[in-house]
Amino acid sequence: DTGVSQDPRHKITKRGQNVTFRCDPISEHNRLYWYRQTLGQGPEFLTYFQNEAQLEKSRLLSDRFSAERPKGSFSTLEIQRTEQGDSAMYLCASSLGVFFPGEAFFGQGTRLTVV
Amino acid sequence: SQQGEEDPQALSIQEGENATMNCSYKTSINNLQWYRQNSGRGLVHLILIRSNEREKHSGRLRVTLDTSKKSSSLLITASRAADTASYFCATDISNFGNEKLTFGTGTRLTIIP
Repeated sequence: DTGVSQDPRHKITKRGQNVTFRCDPISEHNRLYWYRQTLGQGPEFLTYFQNEAQLEKSRLLSDRFSAERPKGSFSTLEIQRTEQGDSAMYLCASSLGVFFPGEAFFGQGTRLTVV
Repeated sequence: SQQGEEDPQALSIQEGENATMNCSYKTSINNLQWYRQNSGRGLVHLILIRSNEREKHSGRLRVTLDTSKKSSSLLITASRAADTASYFCATDISNFGNEKLTFGTGTRLTIIP
């Protein structure tokens, strides 16, 4: 499978616990994006990477959120001290990069439920 | 914040009819894209239209862009049951493209067999 893959697909956690999600982008894609989507809404931008450099972070990405892309390949998104408001679908996407405006390829998402 | 707003929020039509959904946005764009999302799944890219383009076709899809009105429309012709999904417009406002996308709130399309 050469698409964007995300792991896990579903995560249920207790409030206050830390969770980490992984995203494997399409191999030749330089850019990697994280979005969050709540029920009935469109995806909201969280952050994106050009190779291993994190170029922009949304104000939605509080201090409890951290994202990394250590070798410019896969990425992780960690949420510390989860809150019920963090319950959402977390979507990862990748694209070719600057000067190649085009589609972003999305993974199937990780659905997080904080209880 | 949501840059775009889709209209209508929900649309139900008979199979074989055409479906039209609209998107309005607020700021100048590099390009505008339409995505489809089946329930609880990831998004699938449908079509991209650049700011200097006015119309684009892809199979049964036709997209128009009016930058003076900051609006776009997506037409799906000869609808099929498999077209049932949520449809989102997304704008790229970066200078060179491929930075963040800002999505609208979506149109939920139901095709009645």
